[in-house]
Amino acid sequence: NAGVTQTPKFQVLKTGQSMTLQCAQDMNHEYMSWYRQDPGMGLRLIHYSVGAGITDQGEVPNGYNVSRSTTEDFPLRLLSAAPSQTSVYFCASSYSGLYTYNEQFFGPGTRLTVL
Amino acid sequence: AQSVSQHNHHVILSEAASLELGCNYSYGGTVNLFWYVQYPGQHLQLLLKYFSGDPLVKGIKGFEAEFIKSKFSFNLRKPSVQWSDTAEYFCAVNADGGSQGNLIFGKGTKLSVKP
Repeated sequence: NAGVTQTPKFQVLKTGQSMTLQCAQDMNHEYMSWYRQDPGMGLRLIHYSVGAGITDQGEVPNGYNVSRSTTEDFPLRLLSAAPSQTSVYFCASSYSGLYTYNEQFFGPGTRLTVL
Repeated sequence: AQSVSQHNHHVILSEAASLELGCNYSYGGTVNLFWYVQYPGQHLQLLLKYFSGDPLVKGIKGFEAEFIKSKFSFNLRKPSVQWSDTAEYFCAVNADGGSQGNLIFGKGTKLSVKP
């Protein structure tokens, strides 16, 4: 199993550009989520999904869109990049959000810089 | 709103010193508690978790944590640290009132171990 994979590893954008961060998992996990990590802030939840076709907002959803058309993939879209979105983005998945005690597995992260 | 506090931003220890990292959460109901570690340049890995039962939880690499419900705490301990323990440590909570699998993270504690 590859686990949770994310692409790209690094990305530089100009203000106003859009892009999609890719996340895929091959563990047949129903629950997937996106976090951003900023120095001194820990990880903050952006969006999450409890299954294909179901998504919801987390703590910091503004400026981001998600969709979940398959169990395996959970892309994160930046609609119009802003410098405040400079961060490291982590995707995570777990067996099922219905059982809240399941361990979340994290991807390697995408480091995004917005100029 | 639920929150997680980690008391120390940066801890510096010499090898063989004992470690205790504090974590407190604010939620009165049932919680699931986690400690994650992030080694430099890597993604988050689960160190240990508490769901129920024995409040003293043992994890990987000699780490343990104690859940003290009356103090809303879940402190991480290791009797003798090694240089390879240099990393950032995150406490996380999933509360039964939270959105299914979502985790609330503390801001992290950076541990530097001097050889």
